[in-house]
Amino acid sequence: DAMVIQNPRYQVTQFGKPVTLSCSQTLNHNVMYWYQQKSSQAPKLLFHYYDKDFNNEADTPDNFQSRRPNTSFCFLDIRSPGLGDAAMYLCATSRDSTGTRYEQYFGPGTRLTVT
Amino acid sequence: GENVEQHPSTLSVQEGDSAVIKCTYSDSASNYFPWYKQELGKGPQLIIDIRSNVGEKKDQRIAVTLNKTAKHFSLHITETQPEDSAVYFCAARAAGGSYIPTFGRGTSLIVHP
Repeated sequence: DAMVIQNPRYQVTQFGKPVTLSCSQTLNHNVMYWYQQKSSQAPKLLFHYYDKDFNNEADTPDNFQSRRPNTSFCFLDIRSPGLGDAAMYLCATSRDSTGTRYEQYFGPGTRLTVT
Repeated sequence: GENVEQHPSTLSVQEGDSAVIKCTYSDSASNYFPWYKQELGKGPQLIIDIRSNVGEKKDQRIAVTLNKTAKHFSLHITETQPEDSAVYFCAARAAGGSYIPTFGRGTSLIVHP
């Protein structure tokens, strides 16, 4: 089945130690998104790619970076995780941005713990 | 930008009862309204959506209604079951401009057996 896959599902890192979360998709969608979700809150968009074009949200800290080496994969890099970065990180995709093809499909998420 | 308000934040019902979750939006240009179900420890799943050219859409036990004039839309779940227990998010997307949907804050639905 076509899907959005996130690895790992659970990640523990130390304060200040760089960490990378990965997302892959078999849907061949043009757009990939990264969201941060803290407990009992709505997902908060960090950034997204439309193909290779990177779009950063204005309030996303510089500590968060992303890479999309090809259509299928997208990575979230946290350069120096702080305790406040502990959260669920969600990857999502959508086929396009126009017409009726912008439904988002989410992966299962990666739960990040910072010790 | 778009602002989406969602109520209630928590909803507790007995199995078999109906549940209604309501959202309002601010941007009259919004034309797409998805609803997501998020189970504990999982990512949100799209369960139903509606576009601004229709007023109601049904899929088995779930339905969504849209009132463009009042700028509100609602999720209706009939004959609730314990497996419906989850957090539900509404969202709104404006036509043109950014294609990123704005999420509501979520409703935790608890269905008691």
